[in-house]
Amino acid sequence: EAAVTQSPRNKVAVTGGKVTLSCNQTNNHNNMYWYRQDTGHGLRLIHYSYGAGSTEKGDIPDGYKASRPSQENFSLILELATPSQTSVYFCASGDDRVAEQFFGPGTRLTVL
Amino acid sequence: QQKVQQSPESLIVPEGGMASLNCTSSDRNVDYFWWYRQHSGKSPKMLMSIFSNGEKEEGRFTVHLNKASLHTSLHIRDSQPSDSALYLCAASKNSGTYQRFGTGTKLQVVP
Repeated sequence: EAAVTQSPRNKVAVTGGKVTLSCNQTNNHNNMYWYRQDTGHGLRLIHYSYGAGSTEKGDIPDGYKASRPSQENFSLILELATPSQTSVYFCASGDDRVAEQFFGPGTRLTVL
Repeated sequence: QQKVQQSPESLIVPEGGMASLNCTSSDRNVDYFWWYRQHSGKSPKMLMSIFSNGEKEEGRFTVHLNKASLHTSLHIRDSQPSDSALYLCAASKNSGTYQRFGTGTKLQVVP
C-alpha cells in the first residue's frame, strides 16, 4: 500500500510566525499535492508538484509557498501565519501509473 | 466558486437502504472522475473511479458517468453503518494531473 507521511501531526503557531509542514512519500510517485480542508469547502488545492525541483500554484496559493527538494519530500511553508490559515492540511501523492491520489494522515494547524 | 458541485450536502439512509450521491463539474475541461470516502478524523481514500460513459460496479457500489453533462453519481446499495462518512467527488483533465474536489456529501446510515 502506498505510504504518505506528514509531520507534525498537530501544530499550534502564533500569528506572524513561520510554519513548515512536511510530507514524505515512499511510493516513487512523480506528483505531490497540498490541500487544506475546512468545513463547507471540501478539499482545496494549495500547491502541487510534478517532480523534484518543480512547484505549481493551485487554487488558493496566497500566503503559502511550497518546496520539492526531492522525489520523496514536499513541504508547505507559511512565512507569516495568520488565524485564517487554521485548518487541516493534507498531503497527497500520485501519478499516471496509479491514476489515484494517496493521502497522508493530515496535519491539524491552529494559528493563535 | 466551486467547480465541482455535490448534492445533497447530507443524507440519512436506513441500514440496508440505497444511498444516491450526485456530482457535477462546471469545468468542461475534465475527463476523469473519482469518488473518495473519508471517515471522521481520517484521510480520504479512493473508493471508485470512472473515465468512460456508462456504469461501473464494484460490490455494493455503482458509479455512473454522463460525460456530455459532466455528471457522475455514486449509489450504495444495502448501506451499512460503516458506510457513514464524508463522500468526496473529484474531477481532473487526465489521470495524472491535479484533481479538484467538491465539498462532499455527509452520509449517515442509521440502524
